[in-house]
Amino acid sequence: GAVVSQHPSWVICKSGTSVKIECRSLDFQATTMFWYRQFPKQSLMLMATSNEGSKATYEQGVEKDKFLINHASLTLSTLTVTSAHPEDSSFYICSARAVMAGGPQETQYFGPGTRLLVL
Amino acid sequence: GQNIDQPTEMTATEGAIVQINCTYQTSGFNGLFWYQQHAGEAPTFLSYNVLDGLEEKGRFSSFLSRSKGYSYLLLKELQMKDSASYLCAVQLPNAGKSTFGDGTTLTVKP
Repeated sequence: GAVVSQHPSWVICKSGTSVKIECRSLDFQATTMFWYRQFPKQSLMLMATSNEGSKATYEQGVEKDKFLINHASLTLSTLTVTSAHPEDSSFYICSARAVMAGGPQETQYFGPGTRLLVL
Repeated sequence: GQNIDQPTEMTATEGAIVQINCTYQTSGFNGLFWYQQHAGEAPTFLSYNVLDGLEEKGRFSSFLSRSKGYSYLLLKELQMKDSASYLCAVQLPNAGKSTFGDGTTLTVKP
């Protein structure tokens, strides 16, 4: 099946620093990637939709200047948490939209997630 | 807004069958996903339904009724490793983004 990687898998940083998280589709091209955040025992909350070559679309309540998204190629999207604070500590997960020949009509493949802890 | 409802918790016995229901009221509909998520891990894809009916895939089956705004995930021959959270998600027409339910935590007991 399709593989999506995320790097780093976990990061601890000091308050006020910026953290970049990479999401890569390893064996397919993803014109659309999604960034989610998940707090403990809660469901996934969509933060933004990342489209290759265009600006990301942010969900209501998500600060675009704080969560910078760049979708530079068909296989890479990055999320940068700027000036991170303890309340930004969470599990960040990306997914890549794929339409596979011979497979399900459409699906989303999730990366393994990045755990961010801001001290 | 979007509204997706699924039970918070379910418990079942190893070897049994369990059905996890999901009802939805959304502003649009492209399809419905089911994902499995083990604690501390990212979700993994189980199924995607677009048309009404039952789709079977091994021990897991997923059913959709678009007219009723209803889906279920059926797990047969339960194994201990099936203990996880099961997420129902509706894919919206706009840009293909999905909105997720809160998930159903399934506990399989010996």
